[in-house]
Amino acid sequence: GAVVSQHPSRVICKSGTSVKIECRSLDFQATTMFWYRQFPKQSLMLMATSNEGSKATYEQGVEKDKFLINHASLTLSTLTVTSAHPEDSSFYICSARWGPGVNSPLHFGNGTRLTVT
Amino acid sequence: AQSVTQLGSHVSVSEGALVLLRCNYSSSVPPYLFWYVQYPNQGLQLLLKYTTGATLVKGINGFEAEFKKSETSFHLTKPSAHMSDAAEYFCAVSDIGTDKLIFGTGTRLQVFP
Repeated sequence: GAVVSQHPSRVICKSGTSVKIECRSLDFQATTMFWYRQFPKQSLMLMATSNEGSKATYEQGVEKDKFLINHASLTLSTLTVTSAHPEDSSFYICSARWGPGVNSPLHFGNGTRLTVT
Repeated sequence: AQSVTQLGSHVSVSEGALVLLRCNYSSSVPPYLFWYVQYPNQGLQLLLKYTTGATLVKGINGFEAEFKKSETSFHLTKPSAHMSDAAEYFCAVSDIGTDKLIFGTGTRLQVFP
């Protein structure tokens, strides 16, 4: 089946540094990728939607200058947390869809646990 | 906008007992509905989904859910719980006019021997 690879699975960084998280669709071309943030024992909050070759669409309240999303190809999207602070510590999950519309399958990566010290 | 409510943040059952996880959505138009399972420190795996057609949907691992328009519900059930079913379960609804999913707050299922 379709696989989405997310890397790294865990990262610890110092406050003020930037961290890049990669999301790759391994055996399909992802027309759309989504980035979620999940706080402990809470649901997934959609941060942004990215389509290959175009700017990401951010959800209300998400700082696009802080959370930089690049969808450079149909198999790769990256999320860069710039100037990270302890409050950015969270579990970040990407997902990828290979066709248009919500009826097409959505595949999730295994997430990245970011800890900012 | 669509929203989804999961009643009960924690559900505990004995192994072999019926599993019932509740989900209600808010929409005047039947949306697409989904159930996902999440194991610790992992992404989400699709259990089942309802789009159109038969209202009783069967998914993986013996789970099923029934879309009830009159009750705006999409509860998840499994006749006999297994220890491996212990996980976090999320109900999700599609946002009309977009391809985004709106997730509920999740229900943690514990299974006791």
